[in-house]
Amino acid sequence: DVKVTQSSRYLVKRTGEKVFLECVQDMDHENMFWYRQDPGLGLRLIYFSYDVKMKEKGDIPEGYSVSREKKERFSLILESASTNQTSMYLCASSSPGQKRNEQFFGPGTRLTVL
Amino acid sequence: LAKTTQPISMDSYEGQEVNITCSHNNIATNDYITWYQQFPSQGPRFIIQGYKTKVTNEVASLFIPADRKSSTLSLPRVSLSDTAVYYCLVTLSGTYKYIFGTGTRLKVLA
Repeated sequence: DVKVTQSSRYLVKRTGEKVFLECVQDMDHENMFWYRQDPGLGLRLIYFSYDVKMKEKGDIPEGYSVSREKKERFSLILESASTNQTSMYLCASSSPGQKRNEQFFGPGTRLTVL
Repeated sequence: LAKTTQPISMDSYEGQEVNITCSHNNIATNDYITWYQQFPSQGPRFIIQGYKTKVTNEVASLFIPADRKSSTLSLPRVSLSDTAVYYCLVTLSGTYKYIFGTGTRLKVLA
């Protein structure tokens, strides 16, 4: 069974802390994504990676960075967490080409920044 | 820049066909439309995708009219287990732009 796993389901951090969210997929997918999901706003793309060490900014990259050192792992980093980064964070992966829209999502990490 | 709009919520009864529309302005001929289903405490799950006319799979159909200003997800004969939030996604061809709608909360009643 294909799987995208995220390191934590729930996370509570303090303002100013550096936060790491980890995502691992076992499908050998080239593409990996980080979204945040907020009520009334749907899913918004933070960053996208189409290969190891490659990344593209999404719609809301400010305050975030990413790392992809291995194909199966994509990390989202909040350099200095702020309260407006309290949200549900979803990781996804997909194959390239026409299959890129068939994204497989992890269960999400609900991050609270106090 | 493409923007997607969906109804906030819909109610239906078991056994009925449900149509959920996503409005998307300024999308090009090869831009894809994809639909996802999301249950509480889970990530979204892929349902169907297409870029023109009609696509059908074992769970849904997707209709895209010629003007491409909207697309409709059709769920035949819904059951209680179809109660979920449904998202449309527009992917701009030749780019890394992925634009999700704000979601439609479907409630299926017995």
